[in-house]
Amino acid sequence: KAGVTQTPRYLIKTRGQQVTLSCSPISGHRSVSWYQQTPGQGLQFLFEYFSETQRNKGNFPGRFSGRQFSNSRSEMNVSTLELGDSALYLCASSLSPGSNQPQHFGDGTRLSIL
Amino acid sequence: ILNVEQSPQSLHVQEGDSTNFTCSFPSSNFYALHWYRWETAKSPEALFVMTLNGDEKKKGRISATLNTKEGYSYLYIKGSQPEDSATYLCAFSEGGKLIFGQGTELSVKP
Repeated sequence: KAGVTQTPRYLIKTRGQQVTLSCSPISGHRSVSWYQQTPGQGLQFLFEYFSETQRNKGNFPGRFSGRQFSNSRSEMNVSTLELGDSALYLCASSLSPGSNQPQHFGDGTRLSIL
Repeated sequence: ILNVEQSPQSLHVQEGDSTNFTCSFPSSNFYALHWYRWETAKSPEALFVMTLNGDEKKKGRISATLNTKEGYSYLYIKGSQPEDSATYLCAFSEGGKLIFGQGTELSVKP
């Protein structure tokens, strides 16, 4: 069974640009969450999607957005990139939303902003 | 703002030592407490999801306990091996949203 797949693995952008990251969950998993990891802040929750609807959102500015498609694949978009957006972005999937579901993480997309 | 605290921040032990770390979380509105292991150059791997006060879970040499009334969980590793070297993260589940601690970085020397 294939794991969670994130593309691209690495990305370099400049300030002001926008970026789209992609996540394909484990087959059969319908819930997808996104996290940002920076050295100082640790893993921070961005948002959670289930059935193409955003169920939860973390404390991030509106420049961060996401969506989920009918096949459960998800994308996140960051517009007007800032230097502070340089981070590892992790996607995780689970069978369904819910506190007692373990999350299965992808390898992440490392985004560097110049 | 919910705070999840983990201690210690880092730990260096010898192969064969047993060790434990602590995760503290808000004791009100408890849903679940997750533990993950994150090895360098890999993705975080789920160890346990704990939901009931007094829960004890075990996976090989690793076990965890949960006290929701006082807001803490312990992770134990018996007879640490070099392959146990990783960052161990706990996460408090707030209605489907995981709030992670900063992690405990474990290094096991052969």
